[in-house]
Amino acid sequence: AQSVTQPDIHITVSEGASLELRCNYSYGATPYLFWYVQSPGQGLQLLLKYFSGDTLVQGIKGFEAEFKRSQSSFNLRKPSVHWSDAAEYFCAVGLNDMRFGAGTRLTVKP
Amino acid sequence: TAGITQAPTSQILAAGRSMTLRCTQDMRHNAMYWYRQDLGLGLRLIHYSNTAGTTGKGEVPDGYSVSRANTDDFPLTLASAVPSQTSVYFCASRTGGTGNTGELFFGEGSRLTVL
Repeated sequence: AQSVTQPDIHITVSEGASLELRCNYSYGATPYLFWYVQSPGQGLQLLLKYFSGDTLVQGIKGFEAEFKRSQSSFNLRKPSVHWSDAAEYFCAVGLNDMRFGAGTRLTVKP
Repeated sequence: TAGITQAPTSQILAAGRSMTLRCTQDMRHNAMYWYRQDLGLGLRLIHYSNTAGTTGKGEVPDGYSVSRANTDDFPLTLASAVPSQTSVYFCASRTGGTGNTGELFFGEGSRLTVL
């Protein structure tokens, strides 16, 4: 069965610094991979997704992610973090029964 | 645009009582899902439905049941609530089939406390 691991429970970065959130997955076939963001008290919003093709995908809000099949990873990156990026970030895998990781909470220091 | 509507927003329930969480979408999406979100565990899939008339079990289905009588509604029922079912419940949907872009659209969540 598919599964997702997000090794970092909580990450703190300074505003303007770069960000990388890690995601490792287990999936039996070609993975469908997603990153979602959840602001406090809200539902989840899709940042980006990978189905096939170019392994570097661009998303909303300046985020990007790179699919590395050899490492079973789909890490999320942003070159310069803004205070409004503070939120919980979830990696997910699958299509008909999407599975989520436990999430990484991002704190942004001024 | 309503999207997905969940009700109630919040509920306190005595253990042993039954409860139905309602979910309605107006996007004509084929697939619908119920997740529970618990601190440190992320979102865990309870049940899903790829199309009206069909349902499937997710990661944590025990103690929950669902039905999908039509495209728009996907209620989640707790027949006899237990304290471990205290959680925030999210309903989600997506297009499914050939138009499936993968994106899930989420409701605002229903916070359930079982005492």
